[in-house]
Amino acid sequence: GESVGLHLPTLSVQEGDNSIINCAYSNSASDYFIWYKQESGKGPQFIIDIRSNMDKRQGQRVTVLLNKTVKHLSLQIAATQPGDSAVYFCAEGAGGSYIPTFGRGTSLIVHP
Amino acid sequence: EPEVTQTPSHQVTQMGQEVILRCVPISNHLYFYWYRQILGQKVEFLVSFYNNEISEKSEIFDDQFSVERPDGSNFTLKIRSTKLEDSAMYFCASSERSGRASGEQFFGPGTRLTVL
Repeated sequence: GESVGLHLPTLSVQEGDNSIINCAYSNSASDYFIWYKQESGKGPQFIIDIRSNMDKRQGQRVTVLLNKTVKHLSLQIAATQPGDSAVYFCAEGAGGSYIPTFGRGTSLIVHP
Repeated sequence: EPEVTQTPSHQVTQMGQEVILRCVPISNHLYFYWYRQILGQKVEFLVSFYNNEISEKSEIFDDQFSVERPDGSNFTLKIRSTKLEDSAMYFCASSERSGRASGEQFFGPGTRLTVL
């Protein structure tokens, strides 16, 4: 499992670059994965989800990749904008439960 | 665009006091949730609620916690006797559906609870 602490992993990028945020999960039974964005002072906001029968799913400017072999999930953001600056975390669900288990999060900082 | 609202935005209370956190879910949603996030830590599930009863709850949701939908619009979380470790941001969420199709849970802005 992930360690818990006060300092989040941070990814700093320049505006216009592509960003890749990674997430490792440990539950082999997880079959549903979600990426959330949390801006300062706000609640989590759904970005995109993927089921375990897929390995890639695309949304608007975002792509989620799932590698079940190594239990790894990534979120790719194309042409990152300052408004993308936020904490991003993945969540997983298993066994039909609609209750996501959240990861710790990565802070994305986009420099203009 | 419809949104989940929560009040108050910040609640300060003394240890041992009761607090009620309030949420107004999106009007056509049927499934309601409470989560908490201790500063710097993961978002943790507390409880889900459907059809006027608890559907699922975590180990955190002990006898000190209760939820209620007192009318057609509000969804409340009560902590009977607050402890210092209850200090956290509490998020309410709602969704239209349940199951794996409910990835789109809509979260409120949160209530920051500070227990002194």
